[in-house]
Amino acid sequence: QVQLVESGGGVVQPGRSLRLSCAASGFTFSGYGMHWVRQAPGKGLEWVAVIWHDGGNEYYADSVKGRFTISRDNFKNTLYLQMNTLRAEDTAVYYCARGTSTFDYWGQGTLVTVSS
Amino acid sequence: DIVMTQSPDSLAVSLGERATINCKSSQSVLYSSGNKNYLAWYQQKPGQPPKLLIYWASARASGVPDRFSGSGSGTDFTLTISSLQAEDVAVYYCQQYHSTPPWTFGQGTKVEI
Repeated sequence: QVQLVESGGGVVQPGRSLRLSCAASGFTFSGYGMHWVRQAPGKGLEWVAVIWHDGGNEYYADSVKGRFTISRDNFKNTLYLQMNTLRAEDTAVYYCARGTSTFDYWGQGTLVTVSS
Repeated sequence: DIVMTQSPDSLAVSLGERATINCKSSQSVLYSSGNKNYLAWYQQKPGQPPKLLIYWASARASGVPDRFSGSGSGTDFTLTISSLQAEDVAVYYCQQYHSTPPWTFGQGTKVEI
């Protein structure tokens, strides 16, 4: 069965960096686009970034452009999100999700808290 | 960017009764050439990630009970739960995938008993 397992979250000071990982299994990872979607505490869903199945294209929300980088390793079946220059407003649960148009499978999420 | 607006923000429905959630997009999400609306619905139960319920505005995802149905076209859409069950308590989100990036969600509608 499809599984997506995020890791790498934690508490980090403003201005610092963090890298999230999403380990995929149960499907042909290299055949699917992958997204990061975040949810601030008690708030709704915000799309963050997408990467094409082959890593050939990536797109970002304006709120993270220039600070976050999405990448993938199709040999390790793993998706990444490098987050630099973190701000308090980046505090959220970060989900990885499979799909190009809709998000048909989601991980359980990893919590990132940006606080001094 | 396409802005998605849901109504109401929350609603309380008795068990076995109908729940109706509306979603309006700031631009049409219909591709007329294929006659498809690029609109999805998700269900998020407390403490869980979202789950895809409906895509193409009205197609149920695998395993989704038939009490869930989606309708609408263009800019106005509806998610209906025909007979509310206790396990349907959740927040429901609409999402457009017509004009991306960005992929955009509605603000969510909380359904309670």
